Amino acid sequence: QKEVEQNSGPLSVPEGAIASLNCTYSDRGSQSFFWYRQYSGKSPELIMSIYSNGDKEDGRFTAQLNKASQYVSLLIRDSQPSDSATYLCAVTGISYDYKLSFGAGTTVTVRA
Amino acid sequence: DVKVTQSSRYLVKRTGEKVFLECVQDMDHENMFWYRQDPGLGLRLIYFSYDVKMKEKGDIPEGYSVSREKKERFSLILESASTNQTSMYLCASSFESTGYEQYFGPGTRLTVT
Repeated sequence: QKEVEQNSGPLSVPEGAIASLNCTYSDRGSQSFFWYRQYSGKSPELIMSIYSNGDKEDGRFTAQLNKASQYVSLLIRDSQPSDSATYLCAVTGISYDYKLSFGAGTTVTVRA
Repeated sequence: DVKVTQSSRYLVKRTGEKVFLECVQDMDHENMFWYRQDPGLGLRLIYFSYDVKMKEKGDIPEGYSVSREKKERFSLILESASTNQTSMYLCASSFESTGYEQYFGPGTRLTVT
């Protein structure tokens, strides 16, 4: 079983819709959870960090964490064409807190 | 803002050459990382360092070595470049007090011919 699994893409949503991205992780002791956005040919950019159960909102982005179910999600509200990118879920591990495990990524395309 | 810089955006080297990739961060971060990213394989950790002169192997260290003589600088060395090391190389840094969120440099696209 992979340490971090993301819903397979690609995900295509119309402009203005909500894009929903899911991520599950295997290490019950993980403490920190991150979402990165990566445009084609560019490096990953941190867009959200979440550490406790519940929701965290930042602009049009909402991260949701449920440690009991071992999943973290990202909602993108009012999706824009500029949101078209690959989104990576990353999770800290038990052995080394500073070492992140990354999911394979979900590619989102926002249709104008 | 955290700034992570990498020495080159694009690099073309010949098989057998020794290649140096340099990464510098300006936020006094303890931890630094080298990844490679290939289509369909995602991000794979090559090496990481949690302190000056300290290093740990990641998931794919074969064919690579690293050096961290100063806190802000982490170098990746390809001892004898091979064509299967053609890839995007990404450096990142992190700090405990910010929950270990990693900040990436712009990446170096290395082509070995």
